[in-house]
Amino acid sequence: SQTIHQWPATLVQPVGSPLSLECTVEGTSNPNLYWYRQAAGRGLQLLFYSVGIGQISSEVPQNLSASRPQDRQFILSSKKLLLSDSGFYLCAWSVLRSMNSTDTQYFGPGTRLTVL
Amino acid sequence: AQTVTQSQPEMSVQEAETVTLSCTYDTSESNYYLFWYKQPPSRQMILVIRQEAYKQQNATENRFSVNFQKAAKSFSLKISDSQLGDTAMYFCAFMKPWNSQGGSEKLVFGKGMKLTVNP
Repeated sequence: SQTIHQWPATLVQPVGSPLSLECTVEGTSNPNLYWYRQAAGRGLQLLFYSVGIGQISSEVPQNLSASRPQDRQFILSSKKLLLSDSGFYLCAWSVLRSMNSTDTQYFGPGTRLTVL
Repeated sequence: AQTVTQSQPEMSVQEAETVTLSCTYDTSESNYYLFWYKQPPSRQMILVIRQEAYKQQNATENRFSVNFQKAAKSFSLKISDSQLGDTAMYFCAFMKPWNSQGGSEKLVFGKGMKLTVNP
């Protein structure tokens, strides 16, 4: 069965410091991968998605970036964190079944980031 | 652009009762997918149920069922025999199908509704 891991689970960082959040998926090949952010009391907002190694699409312009160095690894980074980057970050995966079939997205446990 | 609206920010229900969570959406697409996700206090987002817009039959998953009204763009979730473990935030979400012109499988979420099941 497929599993998705995220770490760290919790992170407290000072403003201006760098960030690296990691997401890995097991039990599937060539997944689509996603980074979402959930601000307090709100729904999720898609930040980045990737359909393959080295292929990253950004949905929201900001000081965050994403990379996919391996098929089942997705990394969210920042060179300098802002206070507004605080939130709950969720990674998700899906597998495209066919050209006309979109599969369900399954989420990881998330990382709670607090920027002070 | 697609939007998803959950107008009820919070509801409470007694254990074993039935509760209905409402969701409306706006889209010009004819083919799409709708989801209900549950986020318990652990904050992991868990899929509850999925509905394909081209299917007329309402989806069901054990105690969970939906009332999908495509013309009205309404997608409500009914929870039967509520259990204490159903206490969570519930999010309605919309997704367009993948397309070769670079469309992503982006989930558009509502703001969520907090459901509390009381003993």
